[in-house]
Amino acid sequence: EAQVTQNPRYLITVTGKKLTVTCSQNMNHEYMSWYRQDPGLGLRQIYYSMNVEVTDKGDVPEGYKVSRKEKRNFPLILESPSPNQTSLYFCASSLRTGGADTQYFGPGTRLTVL
Amino acid sequence: SQQGEEDPQALSIQEGENATMNCSYKTSINNLQWYRQNSGRGLVHLILIRSNEREKHSGRLRVTLDTSKKSSSLLITASRAADTASYFCATPLGSNYKLTFGKGTLLTVNP
Repeated sequence: EAQVTQNPRYLITVTGKKLTVTCSQNMNHEYMSWYRQDPGLGLRQIYYSMNVEVTDKGDVPEGYKVSRKEKRNFPLILESPSPNQTSLYFCASSLRTGGADTQYFGPGTRLTVL
Repeated sequence: SQQGEEDPQALSIQEGENATMNCSYKTSINNLQWYRQNSGRGLVHLILIRSNEREKHSGRLRVTLDTSKKSSSLLITASRAADTASYFCATPLGSNYKLTFGKGTLLTVNP
């Protein structure tokens, strides 16, 4: 089944404890991205990747890191999480560039930073 | 940065009625997409309409695009309780590398 998977789905952590949210797609998509969704602010893009080893900042990259070492995986890294990073996170992928193609979203990761 | 904005923010209707949501955007685009999100879940793509198209249908969905007014509408006909969700329009920004989303319209369909 074609899909985007994220893990974990739920995570409660404490300030400063490094964490990684994994994202994997099985559709051989070139483009992958991370979004965060907050009440009243909608979806905001954190980082995106055009292809392996090619990443770029979205609208809210501060406090996040990404890497794209393999085409199928695009992990989101929070080196030192803070409470303002409490949010619902979505990974998405598309065959071509983000603005020109259908985005397939993962199920989301609900992160709480205490 | 946000390109599109949906209107209304919330819409409540009875089952069987039609629901219309609008999206306005700021800069020229080559396509516009609509997505649905059931509470707390991932977004699901509904339809993509290109700038050279004026109207597109998919089942009970009808999307229009007016590039002169920089606006789009999503019509759901004969709504069902299962259509209850948030609906987002999404537009490319700049060189198509990024897709930006509006804040969504929350549609509630009452049985």
